[in-house]
Parts: sequence; C-alpha cells; structure tokens
Amino acid sequence: QSALTQPPSASGSPGQSVTISCTGTSSDVGGYNSVSWYEQHPGKAPKLMIYDVSKRPSGVPDRFSGSKSGNTASLTVSGLQAEDEADYYCSSYAGSNILVFGGGTKLTVL
Amino acid sequence: EVHLLESGGGVVQPGGSLRLSCAASGFTFSSYAMSWVRQAPGKGLEWVSSISDSGGSTYNADSVKGRFTISRDESKNTLYLQLNSLRAEDTAVYYCAKGSRQWLAPDFDYWGQGTLVTVSS
Repeated sequence: QSALTQPPSASGSPGQSVTISCTGTSSDVGGYNSVSWYEQHPGKAPKLMIYDVSKRPSGVPDRFSGSKSGNTASLTVSGLQAEDEADYYCSSYAGSNILVFGGGTKLTVL
Repeated sequence: EVHLLESGGGVVQPGGSLRLSCAASGFTFSSYAMSWVRQAPGKGLEWVSSISDSGGSTYNADSVKGRFTISRDESKNTLYLQLNSLRAEDTAVYYCAKGSRQWLAPDFDYWGQGTLVTVSS
C-alpha cells in the first residue's frame, strides 16, 4: 500500500493555470478509472473536487478539471484565484479492496 | 443537509483502546458506504477503514488490520471505529466520510469535522 506520488508544492499567479500530478502504478491509478481529488484548507475537512478521474461534483467550479494518462493522474486549476490556495490530495482505488492517497501538494497562489 | 458528527477521541496510553462514533443525518444512511480517514499532525491523509452500505463487507488498511474494527448501526444512523492495541503512530485526527456509492470507492462527498486521537504515555 504505497502512497501515490505528488509534488510537495506547486504555485501560480492569479489567473494562471497550474497542474498537479499524481503518479501511481498499473495496480492503482493506471488500472482503474477511480481517481479522486480533494482540496483541504488549514484546519478544515477535505472537500471532494474531482471523482472518476474527471467528473466534478455539483458546486465545484469548472476551473477544476481532472485527467489521466497511463499511471499518472492530473488536476488542473485554471484561472487561479486566491481562495484556491490549499493542500490538494489525490486518491485511487488500488485493487484488493484497498484505497490509497497521495502525499499531498501545497498549492500557493503568488 | 448532510451532517457527520464524530465523537470519542481523546488521550489514550499505548496499548489502550478507544471507540469512535460518527452520527450521520441528512441522507439515507443505509444506502451508502462509509469510511474513516485519518491525518497525523502536519501530515497527509491516510485511508483507514471502510464498510459497505449493508455492513456486510468491511475493508481495512494494512496498517490497522487486526487492530481496528469498523461497524455501523442502521437503527442509530451511526458509524463506529473500534481502535485496539493503539500505538503512538495512530495519533491523528480521524475523519468520518460518506461514500458517494454503495461500495468501496475513493470518492467521499461529505466529511465530518474530525476527532483527535492522541496515543501517549
């Protein structure tokens, strides 16, 4: 049950786009279209932003999008806003009734 | 409106036990899988345990297998996590999370505010 690999940090200026990667293996990210992304502000509970690789729950702005290529999933935030500054986590089904999270990426809006 | 309210956290000695509860409201509790996810201080999220909508299937991370037990009481709309043989590395905020499906999947659409478990002598 190894954690998925995310860059520790990412940054962008307001209005720009930033992409956060989430790298796993063929046993998790690459093997299933079951990848989710969460946003977590300091001291708050996580919030679901993307599920099933690229689907957005109602209420999540369309500035947030998800994709996957091979063993790597990605979250793209377009038109960065100050309130997007947060920690972002990916999660995937890993087979054998196991779920795994990424280590998290701290997104800074410059 | 969906609400998840955890309780039962606290300070416990290594080797001790604790039972966490999560009172759910605002949705048909028996129709969704439920899970516990934890976050050690200053660290990332870690999936702990999940239970299917019916309670007939449970799933656990290797790190807690044999020590933690997840269960649910449909009559009380409550999710539980029994923590036994606690270790220092189990110190974390434990979140209750509602799945968006009946079965195990990594999409949790509602979360509680968390309850802190501290394992220390």
